Amino acid sequence: SQTIHQWPATLVQPVGSPLSLECTVEGTSNPNLYWYRQAAGRGLQLLFYSVGIGQISSEVPQNLSASRPQDRQFILSSKKLLLSDSGFYLCAWAGTSGGRETQYFGPGTRLLVL
Amino acid sequence: GEDVEQSLFLSVREGDSSVINCTYTDSSSTYLYWYKQEPGAGLQLLTYIFSNMDMKQDQRLTVLLNKKDKHLSLRIADTQTGDSAIYFCAESPASGSARQLTFGSGTQLTVLP
Repeated sequence: SQTIHQWPATLVQPVGSPLSLECTVEGTSNPNLYWYRQAAGRGLQLLFYSVGIGQISSEVPQNLSASRPQDRQFILSSKKLLLSDSGFYLCAWAGTSGGRETQYFGPGTRLLVL
Repeated sequence: GEDVEQSLFLSVREGDSSVINCTYTDSSSTYLYWYKQEPGAGLQLLTYIFSNMDMKQDQRLTVLLNKKDKHLSLRIADTQTGDSAIYFCAESPASGSARQLTFGSGTQLTVLP
């Protein structure tokens, strides 16, 4: 069966410091991968998605970036964190079954920028 | 672009039925999803429905779709305290290589003893 991991679970970082959040998927190959941010107001905002290695699409201009160095690894990065980057970051993978694509979410990383 | 709207809060008594409502704007063929998020956790897929269906039932969960009004509802029968969570409605187009989900803001369901 497929599983999705996110690391770390919680992170407290000072403003201006770099960031690297990791997401890995097991049990599937060539999945579509997604990064979302959930702010305190609960809505989910799509940040990046990837349909293959090295292929990244950005939905929202910001100081974050994403990379996909391996088929089942998706990394969210920043060179200098802002206070507004605080939030709950969710990674998701998508599989296709019978023409329907469904997204499955990881446990999330809670980021607090001070 | 697409928009998905939900009411923010719902409270029910344990054992009663809960009905969580959602409206969407995409008029093309689409998939509609319900996700559950417990405190501090990721989103768990509960169920989905394709826009050419009217109803789908899965144990205590019933999804009803009114295509004319673009209205989706999730009914939870015999609501339990473990059902307390935030419930997200989401829609995505039925075609495309990366089918992006558009989420509602979530409905906080509180189950009272």
